[in-house]
Amino acid sequence: GAGVSQSPSNKVTEKGKDVELRCDPISGHTALYWYRQRLGQGLEFLIYFQGNSAPDKSGLPSDRFSAERTGESVSTLTIQRTQQEDSAVYLCASSLARNSYEQYFGPGTRLTVT
Amino acid sequence: AQTVTQSQPEMSVQEAETVTLSCTYDTSESDYYLFWYKQPPSRQMILVIRQEAYKQQNATENRFSVNFQKAAKSFSLKISDSQLGDAAMYFCAYRPTTSGTYKYIFGTGTRLKVLA
Repeated sequence: GAGVSQSPSNKVTEKGKDVELRCDPISGHTALYWYRQRLGQGLEFLIYFQGNSAPDKSGLPSDRFSAERTGESVSTLTIQRTQQEDSAVYLCASSLARNSYEQYFGPGTRLTVT
Repeated sequence: AQTVTQSQPEMSVQEAETVTLSCTYDTSESDYYLFWYKQPPSRQMILVIRQEAYKQQNATENRFSVNFQKAAKSFSLKISDSQLGDAAMYFCAYRPTTSGTYKYIFGTGTRLKVLA
């Protein structure tokens, strides 16, 4: 079946603009994660959705970052008033259930803020 | 706070040789999962191997095996018979199972180069 997909694959934006990044998880996967990966760095947890439970937003770095998920499907990560330090690859992952340890990752969106 | 440390930013190995990547972690939890992920230049994160903390036996997947030392909080990855396709970034990751959070914590990665 289809894996996790993300769009766009690359996004270049001007400082101060808003951007939306999209993640389509694997069908039936109730858990969805967003991560940020700066150049040469590891993955930084941003937010976690599990079914209809309140999301764990503890990793969002500022109030310019927000994310939504419609049921158990698509998720959108929005960054408002982008800054140069927001430049990174944004990775999405999904897993079958809360207790499932295996995450399936998408290919990521490379965001460049000029 | 839980942390994952990979102290080797870069490692090199000759093709067909064996290499070990190091990972240490810090946690007060008693039960958790540990993982090694591979990230080739395509950016696609691929699960290489996982270990449940309650299992004493070290996990093995074909040419990949781990040395899990729970008391020392150490989780190293051994790659045997290295192949050119093993060249990638390798990330160690931790996830608790009992604390009510399902956050994964990743190390900063080790870049593995495989020399022909």
